[in-house]
Amino acid sequence: ETGVTQSPTHLIKTRGQQVTLRCSSQSGHNTVSWYQQALGQGPQFIFQYYREEENGRGNFPPRFSGLQFPNYSSELNVNALELDDSALYLCASSLTGTGLNEQFFGPGTRLTVL
Amino acid sequence: AQTVTQSQPEMSVQEAETVTLSCTYDTSESDYYLFWYKQPPSRQMILVIRQEAYKQQNATENRFSVNFQKAAKSFSLKISDSQLGDAAMYFCAYSMNRDDKIIFGKGTRLHILP
Repeated sequence: ETGVTQSPTHLIKTRGQQVTLRCSSQSGHNTVSWYQQALGQGPQFIFQYYREEENGRGNFPPRFSGLQFPNYSSELNVNALELDDSALYLCASSLTGTGLNEQFFGPGTRLTVL
Repeated sequence: AQTVTQSQPEMSVQEAETVTLSCTYDTSESDYYLFWYKQPPSRQMILVIRQEAYKQQNATENRFSVNFQKAAKSFSLKISDSQLGDAAMYFCAYSMNRDDKIIFGKGTRLHILP
């Protein structure tokens, strides 16, 4: 069974640029959630995708957008990067609809915005 | 809105001793889930223990146990026989459902002293 993977591990961008982060869900999982973890803070929920549709969103501006693909992998896109977007971005996958729907987290992508 | 509060930014414990991490939360719901997650330096968020609010019995997983006080909205984690590998950030978290968005506290950094 393959766990949740994320790419890249680290990324450095400059203010105003756009970035795409990727997440491969655990085998058999159909739901992906994205979280932003600023330094010294707990993760904050960005949004969740279930069967390729957005299924809930946290308090993040529209320049944070996402996609989920038919194989249930997912992308997080951030446009017009700001310095405060520097954070660890975590994705978590789960299997919705069975009652056995624990969220399993990936190792994260560390984004630095200069 | 639901909130999770961890009032201990850092704690230390001698190896083989017992330590308790505190957490309080606020919600108007009667059914929900509470979690303790561990985040080692590798950054991967690992589920330590889960408590369903409708269950009166406190959850236990090997050396980890919780003290769930629903009326007081308190959810503490006890680690017995502390080991060097327990050193990590510990996050208390809340969710309406097991696959719903997770609301995290700010975390407690636990140091294990040899």
